[in-house]
Amino acid sequence: DGGITQSPKYLFRKEGQNVTLSCEQNLNHDAMYWYRQDPGQGLRLIYYSQIVNDFQKGDIAEGYSVSREKKESFPLTVTSAQKNPTAFYLCASSIRGAGAFFGQGTRLTVV
Amino acid sequence: GNSVTQMEGPVTLSEEAFLTINCTYTATGYPSLFWYVQYPGEGLQLLLKATKADDKGSNKGFEATYRKETTSFHLEKGSVQVSDSAVYFCALSSSDTGRRALTFGSGTRLQVQP
Repeated sequence: DGGITQSPKYLFRKEGQNVTLSCEQNLNHDAMYWYRQDPGQGLRLIYYSQIVNDFQKGDIAEGYSVSREKKESFPLTVTSAQKNPTAFYLCASSIRGAGAFFGQGTRLTVV
Repeated sequence: GNSVTQMEGPVTLSEEAFLTINCTYTATGYPSLFWYVQYPGEGLQLLLKATKADDKGSNKGFEATYRKETTSFHLEKGSVQVSDSAVYFCALSSSDTGRRALTFGSGTRLQVQP
């Protein structure tokens, strides 16, 4: 079955530690996105990539980094520079005109 | 810039009641409009979409009509069920800014009581 897989489902980070969230898709979509969701709020765009080896900052990119070395993969690293990383992170992919398809999310908690 | 405004929740209804969740938008050009649904602890699922003015998107008894004159895309369902309890997000996608990422509203929680 085609879809988007995010891992892990739950992730715990210590203060000052970098962590990487995985996102893999087998939908053959060119565009991929990372969103952050805080309790009771909508989704805010962190980074997006329209094509392999190219990505752009979204609205809240500070403290995050990404790479797009393969069409299928778009990992997100939450760095120690992100001062309030506890949130629900959602990865999505899209093809023009069809809307975006989302993974099941990763819940990141700072301990 | 682009923005989406949804009615605040929670919306609490009895089973078989009529549902309306209001959504209005601001965008340059001619955006595509979407409704997504999120169940607790899960990602978002695409519920329906409309890509041009006067289009009606529909799925699972839900429907919404793209109204360019009022910049609205209200979600409706004639008879809700307990299983419809979730958070609903209105969103738009516009390529005018060079990026196709979705812009989301803040979400509306629907609670359906038996």
